Amino acid sequence: DTAVSQTPKYLVTQMGNDKSIKCEQNLGHDTMYWYKQDSKKFLKIMFSYNNKELIINETVPNRFSPKSPDKAHLNLHINSLELGDSAVYFCASSLGSNQPQHFGDGTRLSIL
Amino acid sequence: GEDVEQSLFLSVREGDSSVINCTYTDSSSTYLYWYKQEPGAGLQLLTYIFSNMDMKQDQRLTVLLNKKDKHLSLRIADTQTGDSAIYFCAETPYSGAGSYQLTFGKGTKLSVIP
Repeated sequence: DTAVSQTPKYLVTQMGNDKSIKCEQNLGHDTMYWYKQDSKKFLKIMFSYNNKELIINETVPNRFSPKSPDKAHLNLHINSLELGDSAVYFCASSLGSNQPQHFGDGTRLSIL
Repeated sequence: GEDVEQSLFLSVREGDSSVINCTYTDSSSTYLYWYKQEPGAGLQLLTYIFSNMDMKQDQRLTVLLNKKDKHLSLRIADTQTGDSAIYFCAETPYSGAGSYQLTFGKGTKLSVIP
């Protein structure tokens, strides 16, 4: 039983395209997150949602738009993909914003 | 601002103990975490410690917290080749409006020599 699942696991696409990454959690958690891990393995938060409402929005280009249709899902849509968007994107969830976060396996995005 | 520091590399022999150290800056962190990332894999929550504790032990893992010095360490006893991974320390400073933000160090790559 996968707790936090992301799809796709790998995404290879061309510059300028628009793509989406989906995330679902079956833990009953209220808070969900998106993180970006760069080529040097540095992890940085992008967004945080609590009960479908945005609570953290770090300095991320407007081309990135999160959408939370319900508490169990937080999807990430990226417009006009750029070379610098190549990274691993992790979804995570927690019971509350100050509770341990559980991560998905990541989506490896490569821009050609 | 928030800043979590860890050494980037650690190499140990199989069977020895590994100690990974971390310093953090924000005293408002309620929990401090250790995550493990194996090559090509996601982040696994390894263990965490509540800020009012000094020590937490879980099988081969021992976490020590020195709040005065803002120093966190992870000790792995009887290190195995399967422990080879990147270990991330993380703090959770308060970021306002009732929310806490998980802030990671750059990770320590542990290499276990057979």
